[in-house]
Amino acid sequence: SQKIEQNSEALNIQEGKTATLTCNYTNYSPAYLQWYRQDPGRGPVFLLLIRENEKEKRKERLKVTFDTTLKQSLFHITASQPADSATYLCALGTRSSYKLIFGSGTRLLVRP
Amino acid sequence: DTAVSQTPKYLVTQMGNDKSIKCEQNLGHDTMYWYKQDSKKFLKIMFSYNNKELIINETVPNRFSPKSPDKAHLNLHINSLELGDSAVYFCASSQGTGVSNQPQHFGDGTRLSIL
Repeated sequence: SQKIEQNSEALNIQEGKTATLTCNYTNYSPAYLQWYRQDPGRGPVFLLLIRENEKEKRKERLKVTFDTTLKQSLFHITASQPADSATYLCALGTRSSYKLIFGSGTRLLVRP
Repeated sequence: DTAVSQTPKYLVTQMGNDKSIKCEQNLGHDTMYWYKQDSKKFLKIMFSYNNKELIINETVPNRFSPKSPDKAHLNLHINSLELGDSAVYFCASSQGTGVSNQPQHFGDGTRLSIL
């Protein structure tokens, strides 16, 4: 069956360190992978999109990688700040579908 | 200016009642969505409309009926509410035909609680 897995345990890191979040998938052939941030009581906010033919995408302190062989995306936040504390969701899309399929998210806590 | 706005933000009601949630976007997008986020935080697509035409209709009880009067509005009507309908419902929109290569813009959700 199709699965998208994100670490359900919260990631707790010290301010200034690099946070790395993982998104693994099985029985999907995504053409696109998106990352969103969700704060408590708010809707998800789009961060980055990466295509299957792209290995890496960057935006300011954010970096996303997409490995279609390992069926995995990594999301990095460098020089993390307490304001980066939130839940981060990955979402997969295929060429043949209008749907985005979301993972359940990983909660990131950055300690001052 | 709020890009995607949903009303109401909170909805507390009795089992068996009928209720509606409204959504409006001012981004000029052609595609709108309804998602349900349960207590385990999974965000699941329910419906999507592109230019007022239904393009995604997931396996959702037919007590749920979306309506799109124009491409800037997508409402969700729920009949005969059940305890299991308690969740947060999010509206979203995106540019283009709704293909999954477009970022989606979400509202802040409607928290539905069934007593």
